[in-house]
Amino acid sequence: DAGVTQSPTHLIKTRGQQVTLRCSPKSGHDTVSWYQQALGQGPQFIFQYYEEEERQRGNFPDRFSGHQFPNYSSELNVNALLLGDSALYLCASSRTGTASEQYFGPGTRLTVT
Amino acid sequence: AQKVTQAQTEISVVEKEDVTLDCVYETRDTTYYLFWYKQPPSGELVFLIRRNSFDEQNEISGRYSWNFQKSTSSFNFTITASQVVDSAVYFCAPMDTGRRALTFGSGTRLQVQP
Repeated sequence: DAGVTQSPTHLIKTRGQQVTLRCSPKSGHDTVSWYQQALGQGPQFIFQYYEEEERQRGNFPDRFSGHQFPNYSSELNVNALLLGDSALYLCASSRTGTASEQYFGPGTRLTVT
Repeated sequence: AQKVTQAQTEISVVEKEDVTLDCVYETRDTTYYLFWYKQPPSGELVFLIRRNSFDEQNEISGRYSWNFQKSTSSFNFTITASQVVDSAVYFCAPMDTGRRALTFGSGTRLQVQP
């Protein structure tokens, strides 16, 4: 049973560029959440996707957008990258329902220079 | 507004010692859930425990135990007979009923020395 997978593992981008990160959920899960973790801090919620729609969003600007596909996989897009966007981006999958456990992938380390 | 506090920044123990990690969650909600995650040096967050705010029974699962004091909104997570492999950052992450997002604390770094 494969867990949550994310690609790529590492990414280096230049300020102003755009980036797309990908996530495949754990088998049997239909909900995908994205989190940003800056160095030395706890993860912060970006948004959550269910049934191909954004169901909930954290305090992040519109430069951060996402998509969920019919097979439940998801993408996170960030436009007009800033130096402050450098972080570990974590994808978590879960079954829909109240307070279901979220299982995390290994993350994508994004560095913006 | 909700606030989660993990006051212990870093704890260092010797193998086989018991260690307790503290978490305080301030919220107006009376019903919520609290999760504990572990993040080893590899970086992947590992789910450990989920508890409900309306269940005040303490619980033991293997080497992990859980103590909830509703009066102080304090959730204590204890690892019994710590092992070197327990070295990681531990995050307390509450989730309010009706929301589906985890709110992570700042984490407690646990170092278990051999």
